[in-house]
Amino acid sequence: GAVVSQHPSRVICKSGTSVKIECRSLDFQATTMFWYRQFPKQSLMLMATSNEGSKATYEQGVEKDKFLINHASLTLSTLTVTSAHPEDSSFYICSARDLGAPRRTDTQYFGPGTRLTVL
Amino acid sequence: AQSVTQLDSQVPVFEEAPVELRCNYSSSVSVYLFWYVQYPNQGLQLLLKYLSGSTLVKGINGFEAEFNKSQTSFHLRKPSVHISDTAEYFCAVSAYFTGGFKTIFGAGTRLFVKA
Repeated sequence: GAVVSQHPSRVICKSGTSVKIECRSLDFQATTMFWYRQFPKQSLMLMATSNEGSKATYEQGVEKDKFLINHASLTLSTLTVTSAHPEDSSFYICSARDLGAPRRTDTQYFGPGTRLTVL
Repeated sequence: AQSVTQLDSQVPVFEEAPVELRCNYSSSVSVYLFWYVQYPNQGLQLLLKYLSGSTLVKGINGFEAEFNKSQTSFHLRKPSVHISDTAEYFCAVSAYFTGGFKTIFGAGTRLFVKA
């Protein structure tokens, strides 16, 4: 089946630094990728929708200047947490929709997540 | 506005007992329904989905769910649970909402299977 990878799986950084997280669709093309954030013992909250070749669409309350999203190719989207602070510590999960599949909503595949810890 | 409500935050159950995890949704558009399982520090694994057709859907690991349109529910069931089923379960709906295609998740239900 389709596979979505994320890199790194875990990252620890100092407050004030920036961190980049990659989301790749390994065996399919994805025009749309989604970024979610999950706090401990909570649900996934959609942060933004990433569209290849265009600007990302951010959900209400998500700072676009803090969470920079780039979807430069059909297989790669990146999330950069700029000037990270401890409150940005979270589990970040991406998902991708398969361009090649019929236009159905069952073709969304999730990555394994990235655990970000900001000291 | 659309929403997904998982009525139980935690469900403790003994091994080999049946279990039901409840999910209700609210939406002004037609939705597709999913159940995912998440083990600690891992991503999501799709258990089952309802897109159309038969309202009773069967998934992996012996789970099944029934779509009830009139009650806007999509409860997950398993007739006999195992210790290995201990995990977090998320109900989700996907649709073309205002602003584009999105998936909305419920708050999750922690299933804890006891020996």
